[in-house]
Amino acid sequence: NAGVTQTPKFQVLKTGQSMTLQCAQDMNHEYMSWYRQDPGMGLRLIHYSVGAGITDQGEVPNGYNVSRSTTEDFPLRLLSAAPSQTSVYFCASSYGGSGANVLTFGAGSRLTVL
Amino acid sequence: AQSVTQLDSQVPVFEEAPVELRCNYSSSVSVYLFWYVQYPNQGLQLLLKYLSGSTLVKGINGFEAEFNKSQTSFHLRKPSVHISDTAEYFCAVRGTGGFKTIFGAGTRLFVKA
Repeated sequence: NAGVTQTPKFQVLKTGQSMTLQCAQDMNHEYMSWYRQDPGMGLRLIHYSVGAGITDQGEVPNGYNVSRSTTEDFPLRLLSAAPSQTSVYFCASSYGGSGANVLTFGAGSRLTVL
Repeated sequence: AQSVTQLDSQVPVFEEAPVELRCNYSSSVSVYLFWYVQYPNQGLQLLLKYLSGSTLVKGINGFEAEFNKSQTSFHLRKPSVHISDTAEYFCAVRGTGGFKTIFGAGTRLFVKA
């Protein structure tokens, strides 16, 4: 049982480049989300999805794009990377239907934008 | 909308001493409350959660937290810490009817020998 798998673990980009962070879960979770973690700011919600075909913005959505074509996958796209997007990104998922459900996190993806 | 304030960014403590990590939240609706722990270079994992019922919640590794609705607080405690408890601890809130989980800024617990 792999849980939540994020790839790549590390990535270095130049300003203006685009890339996709991949997130896959094998637990049949309806809810998936992306956070970024920055020192002193905790985790901030970027985008989330409550099921295939349904996505919504979180606290800091600008500069990021998501889609949810399957239950298992929830990729995060950076369209034109900026140094301010240097961060550690976490994907998290949970069962839907209740706010009581606990998030399961991936191991994180460390992104550096030069 | 919900928000979370963790009142201490860093807490240094000696091994076997008690510790309290403070968390206050703000919300216009009923909420569920969580504490997650992040060990170095890892993702987050659940420590404990408050859903309803008893206001004192026990979690893994000897941690417990008390929900205080009047003070909108959910402080985390452990009576005797170990070196292995060194980690970053995050308080989080989620509306009972929603999905978005909002996290605090984190408290870095450093246990010294």
